[in-house]
Order: sequence, then structure tokens, then C-alpha cells
Amino acid sequence: DGGITQSPKYLFRKEGQNVTLSCEQNLNHDAMYWYRQDPGQGLRLIYYSQIVNDFQKGDIAEGYSVSREKKESFPLTVTSAQKNPTAFYLCASSIDGANTGELFFGEGSRLTVL
Amino acid sequence: EDQVTQSPEALRLQEGESSSLNCSYTVSGLRGLFWYRQDPGKGPEFLFTLYSAGEEKEKERLKATLTKKESFLHITAPKPEDSATYLCAVRTMDSSYKLIFGSGTRLLVRP
Repeated sequence: DGGITQSPKYLFRKEGQNVTLSCEQNLNHDAMYWYRQDPGQGLRLIYYSQIVNDFQKGDIAEGYSVSREKKESFPLTVTSAQKNPTAFYLCASSIDGANTGELFFGEGSRLTVL
Repeated sequence: EDQVTQSPEALRLQEGESSSLNCSYTVSGLRGLFWYRQDPGKGPEFLFTLYSAGEEKEKERLKATLTKKESFLHITAPKPEDSATYLCAVRTMDSSYKLIFGSGTRLLVRP
């Protein structure tokens, strides 16, 4: 079955540690996204990528980094510079980045800072 | 500033009790409005796309409508399995790549 796989589902981090969240898709989509979801707030865009080896900052990119070396993969690193990283992280993809609002989401990764 | 507001924040219905969820938007230019369903602990699932005022889309017990300022998600004779958070998002003329999401309406349908 085609879809988006995020791992791990749950992750605990100590203060000062970097952690990397994995996102893999087998939908052959060009565009991929990372969103953050906090209780009572809408999804906020962290980074997006419309094509391999290219990505742009979203609204809340500070303290995060990404790479897009393969079409299928878009990992997100939460660095120690992110002051409030505890949240639910969602990876998504779409056929292209400009002409569709139909995003396919993974099941999410919940990060907790101890 | 582009903004999307959903109301109510939470809604409790009895099974079979029809109602509507609201999504109002203030954007510089609308390219599309999108509805998603999100179950607890899961990623959102796409439901509908609306592009212009007057447009309507239906799927089972759900019907989405669009005006120049807001969208409604009508739920007819809901069942307990319709319980979820419903998210509204817009795409604007200024930033075609980005969706602006509302904070969602949590719907609980009791048997």
C-alpha cells in the first residue's frame, strides 16, 4: 500500500540533545512537508520541499533542520536550539507543491522533552 | 494577515442530530479551501477541496459549502464513527505552496 511512514511514533529527548524524525513516502510525490501541531492550535509549517535537493523554511523553522537527498525521504532534525520542542510532528506529501491542497499525512511522531 | 478561524471549538451531538461546523477566513486571495478529518493520535485525512463561492461537495453524511467569507461542513444524521477533529485549511494567492490551518472543531457523536 502506498503511503507515508513516520518513525518513531513516540520519542523522548533530554535537554540539549538533537533528535531526528524519519519520514518516508512511496507515493512518488514531488512535494513533502513538516508540520507541528500543538493543542488548541492549527498545524504550523516548519519546512517544505518541492523537489529533491531543495527545501524552504516555513513559518517556524528556527531550531529545526531538514534534508531532501532522495525523493522518498524528508527527515527532520529537532536541534537543541529549539526552545519548546514538545509537540506532535506531522510529515505530509503532495503530488506537487503548488497546485494541490490534498496533502497525504503520516501518522505523526510525538516528541517529549524530559 | 491571513487567518482561518473555526467554530465551535468543540461540539457534542446525539446520534442522528444534524449540525454544521464553521470555517471563516480572511485572506488576500483564495486559491482553495480544504477540509480534513483527524482522529486522535493520527495524521489528518483529506476530505474536500472547494475553489469558488457557491461550490458544494458531498461525501456520505458530510457536505461542504463555500461562500466568499466562510465554509460550512454540514453533518447529516451523524453516527458515533463521525467523531473526530475536523480541520479547515486555505491556500492563498500569495503563497501557493502553504496551507493555513484553523485550530479545528472536535466533534463527539454519542450513541
